[in-house]
Parts: sequence; C-alpha cells; structure tokens
Amino acid sequence: DQQVKQNSPSLSVQEGRISILNCDYTNSMFDYFLWYKKYPAEGPTFLISISSIKDKNEDGRFTVFLNKSAKHLSLHIVPSQPGDSAVYFCAAGFWDYGGSQGNLIFGKGTKLSVKP
Amino acid sequence: NAGVTQTPKFRVLKTGQSMTLLCAQDMNHEYMYWYRQDPGMGLRLIHYSVGEGTTAKGEVPDGYNVSRLKKQNFLLGLESAAPSQTSVYFCASSYRTSGSYEQYFGPGTRLTVT
Repeated sequence: DQQVKQNSPSLSVQEGRISILNCDYTNSMFDYFLWYKKYPAEGPTFLISISSIKDKNEDGRFTVFLNKSAKHLSLHIVPSQPGDSAVYFCAAGFWDYGGSQGNLIFGKGTKLSVKP
Repeated sequence: NAGVTQTPKFRVLKTGQSMTLLCAQDMNHEYMYWYRQDPGMGLRLIHYSVGEGTTAKGEVPDGYNVSRLKKQNFLLGLESAAPSQTSVYFCASSYRTSGSYEQYFGPGTRLTVT
C-alpha cells in the first residue's frame, strides 16, 4: 500500500512557464514533507520542505503547497528552466514512529522535462 | 566536506557472489540509511541505523545485511547476490533532531547481478 503517491510519471513544460508537480499521501500522521530533485547518475538532493503546521513554503522559484484536508501537496516551479529537468521525488515522514524517527517514505517520482 | 561518499560506483557480480558496499559521511550525522532505486519504484529503504552499533530493517531488507561499527560508516552486504538485487543503491545520512528530516544522499552505486 503506497503511502506517498506521485501519480504523474512525467511532465513536460515550456521554458518560462510554471511547472506543477503533485503528490498525495494517505497517512495522516505525516508531519513533514520534502521534495528531492535527482539528476541522472547522481544522488537525490534536497530541494524544499514543509511542516504540517504550514500550508505554504517558498524558496526562490520553488514553492510547496500543503492541503492537509485533501492529503495533497504540490511543488510549483516558476519560471521553469531547462536546468530544472530532472526526476522529482516527494517524501513524507513523522517523528514518533516507534523508533524509526526520521524515516522518510518516498513517492515513485515524476520526471520533469523543461523544453527551451 | 565530502558529504556522503559511496564505494564502489559500479559493480558487476555473478549470481551467488558476495560483496560489501561502503558508505561514509563526514557530517557527524547520527542516522544513516541504505536505499535501493529501481525503475518506476522510487526509493525503498533497505536498512537504517540510528547510531553506532545499532541497525534496523526497513521496507525491503531480505537478502541484505548491514553493520555500523563506526559512526561515520555504514556497510551494506550482499551474502549471495541474486539478479533481483540488480539496482542502484543510495546511502543517506541525517541529524537526529526532532523536526529535522532532511537526508543527505551519496552519489549511488550501480550494481548488476548476472
């Protein structure tokens, strides 16, 4: 049973436009959500996160929105650039997890292609 | 700071052979993790460690063993490799702080079992 779902395997966007990547989760105990970016042949790198007590967090061109009632979060990239082309993973975690503090559950990823 | 490093970067094994993957971090992190990534499957946790001398099973632990003899190192062992263990393996580490979930990943090891 997937606790973190990224239902779009791929997304193609024109340079300069907005990219919106979506993520749904099922476990209401998750209290922290992260987005990771991964280029081919490299390890994932942290991009942005949000705590469950917030509904929005911004960092430059990247904004993450959290809708707790819908158990949904999204990553907005504005404006999109060709260098943003990568696989984006959504991840979620909660602290009091029977000793597994800090463990993250990852979605399957969405491959973003930004075309010049 | 090198961050998280993994050795080797690539490896080809024959079925039944054994090997050890080494992960090292220089950030003084308490927590360390081993993941595997397969096409269309995302990152799945194999084993993790919350401190030196402690290890625990993750989502997909079968066929793997781990050891954390030193705080900075986390070893992943395959005793008898199987083709199903062909994958890209990532090591990660993080602080042990409530509310801090960010994990730092190594560059990965691509393993092929024939």
